Amino acid sequence: GAVVSQHPSWVICKSGTSVKIECRSLDFQATTMFWYRQFPKQSLMLMATSNEGSKATYEQGVEKDKFLINHASLTLSTLTVTSAHPEDSSFYICSARDYSFGELFFGEGSRLTVL
Amino acid sequence: RKEVEQDPGPFNVPEGATVAFNCTYSNSASQSFFWYRQDCRKEPKLLMSVYSSGNEDGRFTAQLNRASQYISLLIRDSKLSDSATYLCVVPQRDGNNRLAFGKGNQVVVIP
Repeated sequence: GAVVSQHPSWVICKSGTSVKIECRSLDFQATTMFWYRQFPKQSLMLMATSNEGSKATYEQGVEKDKFLINHASLTLSTLTVTSAHPEDSSFYICSARDYSFGELFFGEGSRLTVL
Repeated sequence: RKEVEQDPGPFNVPEGATVAFNCTYSNSASQSFFWYRQDCRKEPKLLMSVYSSGNEDGRFTAQLNRASQYISLLIRDSKLSDSATYLCVVPQRDGNNRLAFGKGNQVVVIP
């Protein structure tokens, strides 16, 4: 079946630094990928829709200059948390839909802790 | 009305018992629905898709009620390993292939 890989799984950084998270579709092409954030005991919240070759579409309230998304190829999307602060600490998950399977696959998630 | 609503629970279920919970949705045009299972600190994984009236897979049964705009998930003969959060996922209205997530139903199976 289709697989979405996310890296890194865990990252700890100092406040003010930038962190890049990668999301790859391993055996299918994904023109669209999605980025979510999940705080403890809360539901997944869609942050943005990443479109290959064009600008991402951000959800209301999500700062596009803080959460930079790049979808340069059909198998890779990256999320960069710029100038991270402790309140950005969260579980970040990406997903991509494989239309041949009709299923949405999720990456393993990246747990960010900002000190 | 929220696009997807779920009672977060928790639903405490004795091992071997049956548990059922609903998910209501606002988009009457939705044609497909999904139940995902999410374990603590893990990514969601597809449990079941619902395209028509319902679906059954072993101990899990999903049913769709279009008139009342809800889908249900029933777990029979609950196992300890069924303890997880079950997320209801429904395509959003904007046609951009985005999916709306409910808050999830937390199930705790008790020995």
